[in-house]
Amino acid sequence: GEDVEQSLFLSVREGDSSVINCTYTDSSSTYLYWYKQEPGAGLQLLTYIFSNMDMKQDQRLTVLLNKKDKHLSLRIADTQTGDSAIYFCASRSGGSYIPTFGRGTSLIVHP
Amino acid sequence: ETGVTQTPRHLVMGMTNKKSLKCEQHLGHNAMYWYKQSAKKPLELMFVYNFKEQTENNSVPSRFSPECPNSSHLFLHLHTLQPEDSALYLCASSQDRSTDTQYFGPGTRLTVL
Repeated sequence: GEDVEQSLFLSVREGDSSVINCTYTDSSSTYLYWYKQEPGAGLQLLTYIFSNMDMKQDQRLTVLLNKKDKHLSLRIADTQTGDSAIYFCASRSGGSYIPTFGRGTSLIVHP
Repeated sequence: ETGVTQTPRHLVMGMTNKKSLKCEQHLGHNAMYWYKQSAKKPLELMFVYNFKEQTENNSVPSRFSPECPNSSHLFLHLHTLQPEDSALYLCASSQDRSTDTQYFGPGTRLTVL
């Protein structure tokens, strides 16, 4: 079945850019998502991208998609302490209604 | 606020207890989901309801029993749970089963003693 891989931890300094990476295996993945989970909370949809796009920008967030390598990244510009959370990558193919989630990347922002 | 609420937020229960988790969505969606989130494991899909009909049961033990009385409400009835069932239980909804975006509630943190 589909597999989505993420590194478990990322530590950055406040004000720097963060880049969280994700790889997926299903070449028919049509929708790719980034969710954010703060401590004690559920998953909050941050952004998503369709497979026919290379890039999507939304304020401090930039999503890059390399469909050939099945690689997705989330860049957070000017990272703040409030960005500390777990970030989940998820993919869904057009033929399935259930996304496959990665294990999540814990982003730690230090002063 | 995502428009999906869950109660209670925290629950501690013994292995012989019976309890229920509740989820309500105010988004006019037709599909609702239960997920289990355990430490150091990927998110696990448990059940899917679409237009009040259960369409997916992901090999979940019978000690978990879902109920969907209408498109806005979803319950998860719990009985004779095990300590390994302790986890964060997340509810989500989407416009319908084929629509991409799922919106999650805050979750119920369940501890089974």
